[in-house]
Amino acid sequence: QKEVEQNSGPLSVPEGAIASLNCTYSDRGSQSFFWYRQYSGKSPELIMFIYSNGDKEDGRFTAQLNKASQYVSLLIRDSQPSDSATYLCAVRNYGGATNKLIFGTGTLLAVQP
Amino acid sequence: ETGVTQSPTHLIKTRGQQVTLRCSSQSGHNTVSWYQQALGQGPQFIFQYYREEENGRGNFPPRFSGLQFPNYSSELNVNALELDDSALYLCASSFGGSSSYNEQFFGPGTRLTVL
Repeated sequence: QKEVEQNSGPLSVPEGAIASLNCTYSDRGSQSFFWYRQYSGKSPELIMFIYSNGDKEDGRFTAQLNKASQYVSLLIRDSQPSDSATYLCAVRNYGGATNKLIFGTGTLLAVQP
Repeated sequence: ETGVTQSPTHLIKTRGQQVTLRCSSQSGHNTVSWYQQALGQGPQFIFQYYREEENGRGNFPPRFSGLQFPNYSSELNVNALELDDSALYLCASSFGGSSSYNEQFFGPGTRLTVL
């Protein structure tokens, strides 16, 4: 079992719709969770992070965390063609010497005009 | 723009050669992490440097080594290059080492091709 799992997609949504991106993780000790957006050929760009169970909203983006189910999601409201990119879920565990990020393989989102 | 810079942008090497990649962290950040991202995969953690010392390492062989300098910039060195080392190498800057909850910001990356 991979430590962080995402559906590779592509996830295709029409412009203006809500895109829902999901991620599961295997380590119950995971403490913080990050969503990065990566355009083709570019480096990952941090969109949101969440530490506590529940929802966290930032503009059109909402991150949702359910530690009991080991599940984190990202909702993008009013999707725009410029949102088309790969979305990477990353998990960080504490303890030991490092705070490395463990990434999923990413979900490709395609927003259709 | 994150304020994290990397050089060079692209690099082509042949098997067996050695390569050095460079990263300048964002102002105020004292921690640099290096990741390898193969095509179609998520970034994989190589190692992290905090206050000039290695502060954790992923599942990469010893031919991957690094340094951090007093100004918190960093180098990644790879010896005896293999074809599978072809990837995007990402540097991430943050503050506080292993005890911090602060997020990591990525530089633009170096695309390494090994022929």
